[in-house]
Amino acid sequence: KAGVTQTPRYLIKTRGQQVTLSCSPISGHRSVSWYQQTPGQGLQFLFEYFSETQRNKGNFPGRFSGRQFSNSRSEMNVSTLELGDSALYLCASSLLTGGLRNEQFFGPGTRLTVL
Amino acid sequence: DQQVKQNSPSLSVQEGRISILNCDYTNSMFDYFLWYKKYPAEGPTFLISISSIKDKNEDGRFTVFLNKSAKHLSLHIVPSQPGDSAVYFCAASARAGNMLTFGGGTRLMVKP
Repeated sequence: KAGVTQTPRYLIKTRGQQVTLSCSPISGHRSVSWYQQTPGQGLQFLFEYFSETQRNKGNFPGRFSGRQFSNSRSEMNVSTLELGDSALYLCASSLLTGGLRNEQFFGPGTRLTVL
Repeated sequence: DQQVKQNSPSLSVQEGRISILNCDYTNSMFDYFLWYKKYPAEGPTFLISISSIKDKNEDGRFTVFLNKSAKHLSLHIVPSQPGDSAVYFCAASARAGNMLTFGGGTRLMVKP
């Protein structure tokens, strides 16, 4: 079974630009969550989508948005990029949302550098 | 306010010995706990989990212990192997969704 895939793996943008990252979950998984990892803040939850609906949202500004398609693939978008948005963006998929024994499996991440 | 804390940023252990990684949490709503292993420039790899209705879960060389009254969990790796060298994150979630709250990580170094 193929794992979670994320594209692109590396991205360089300049301040003020916008960026779209893509995530394909494990086949059959309906929940996709996004996380940001930075040296200063660690791993932080951005948002979760389940059946095309945003279920949970972390404490990030409105410049960070996402969506999920009917095939469970998800995209996240960051507008008006700032230097502090440089991070590893991780996508995780799971079969369900919430509940017990609901492990999340992570993709390799997209390394975003904002210059 | 860090709801999940890993107070040891690093741990060094001799190959073959036991590695014990610790994690504390403050939010009483957390009812599911997970441990992930992470190599640089890769996504976290799921290791083992435990729900709040249990106090121990074992999977091969990995055992997780949960002490609800102390709001503390630990991961035991026995025996430790050099390939276990990585950063280990504990994470917690509440039943309402898949939002994982992560600790800051502990870098484990297993020396041959």
